[in-house]
Amino acid sequence: SYELTQPPSMSVSPGQTASITCSGHKLEAKYACWYQQKAGQSPVLVIYQDSKRPSGIPERFSGSNSGNTATLTISGTQAMDEADYYCQAWDSATVVFGKGTKLTVL
Amino acid sequence: QVQLVESGRGVVQPGGSLRLSCAASGFTFNTYGLHWVRQAPGKGLEWVAFIRYDGISQYYADSVKGRFTISRDNSRNTLYLQLNSLRLEDTAVYYCAKDLNRDFGDYSSLDYWGQGTLVTVSS
Repeated sequence: SYELTQPPSMSVSPGQTASITCSGHKLEAKYACWYQQKAGQSPVLVIYQDSKRPSGIPERFSGSNSGNTATLTISGTQAMDEADYYCQAWDSATVVFGKGTKLTVL
Repeated sequence: QVQLVESGRGVVQPGGSLRLSCAASGFTFNTYGLHWVRQAPGKGLEWVAFIRYDGISQYYADSVKGRFTISRDNSRNTLYLQLNSLRLEDTAVYYCAKDLNRDFGDYSSLDYWGQGTLVTVSS
């Protein structure tokens, strides 16, 4: 079965750029999307189809997908961006999630 | 605004059954595909099932295939998940979520999520 690999955790200072990676076999041939889940809340879609932002998502969130790696980039990270982030792709009639990356802003 | 409200939470013994519901509003229900996704306590997201906008096709994760059934009633704007032969490892918060599209494919993304409902399987 298809797997998506994310770093379990990362930290970033306020105002800096956070880049969260998601790796999978030939991932660039698929669409990647990203979800943000804050503690005790439901997930929120922040990037879909590799790089598109849903309405209401701040411009500091961007995405890319090349080779075997999709990347979620948060520019000018704010304290409110502290959350778990999950990548997701579709493969063989299943939705696949990465195990998530806990982003700490400190 | 889009709202998805799950119900049907409960504590069930192993081998038991439960039916979850998800009442939808704020969008044209019969033109979008819908998912169930679960999250075990302290764990990540696990996709469970998808149903097409017209209910004709359903897709399942291997971990629930043959035990869970996804269905929808487009006249009631409601999504369902029938959980049978429950196991301890099915304990999780179950979310319903709307897809950006009507059918299942490489473009599938979940753009709205409910608040989730807790299913506990315990003896």
